[in-house]
Amino acid sequence: RKEVEQDPGPFNVPEGATVAFNCTYSNSASQSFFWYRQDCRKEPKLLMSVYSSGNEDGRFTAQLNRASQYISLLIRDSKLSDSATYLCVVSRNTGNQFYFGTGTSLTVIP
Amino acid sequence: EAGVAQSPRYKIIEKRQSVAFWCNPISGHATLYWYQQILGQGPKLLIQFQNNGVVDDSQLPKDRFSAERLKGVDSTLKIQPAKLEDSAVYLCASSSRSVGPQHFGDGTRLSIL
Repeated sequence: RKEVEQDPGPFNVPEGATVAFNCTYSNSASQSFFWYRQDCRKEPKLLMSVYSSGNEDGRFTAQLNRASQYISLLIRDSKLSDSATYLCVVSRNTGNQFYFGTGTSLTVIP
Repeated sequence: EAGVAQSPRYKIIEKRQSVAFWCNPISGHATLYWYQQILGQGPKLLIQFQNNGVVDDSQLPKDRFSAERLKGVDSTLKIQPAKLEDSAVYLCASSSRSVGPQHFGDGTRLSIL
């Protein structure tokens, strides 16, 4: 079983829509969680860390559900500039290993 | 703050040739990572350094890949000899803490002919 699994999409949504991505992880010992954004032919860039209590940054909300072992990313009022691949990243403190999901592709349509 | 620097940006070689990539992390970042990202997939960790020591190289194909970070700053990743399946983007990342968020360089896009 993969360490991190994401629905690859693609998600095609109209401008202004709300879209949510989920990511599941297999190891209950995972400690740190992140969402990265990757534009086509560019490097991944940190979008936000995911905290146990959930956190919000503008139109973006990240949540962690340890019982079900998943994290989510909610994007409200989608903009054309949100079109990208969103990568879920999970880390265990033991061994300091980071695991990336395959990414979820989002296209926001005018 | 200067970001992670990588070179070259692009490299095209024939199979069985050798290639080397260079990475300069963000100043002060003790942890450095090399990832391989094949088209359509997420980055896969090849090796992680903490200062000049290797923390994890479990997914590094050691028969052909090698990496070093001799002085705890710059790092090089080498492939010798290259195979067709090595065609990918090689990303370098650094972080100030071993479990902190990582900052990526632009990557080196490697094509094997």
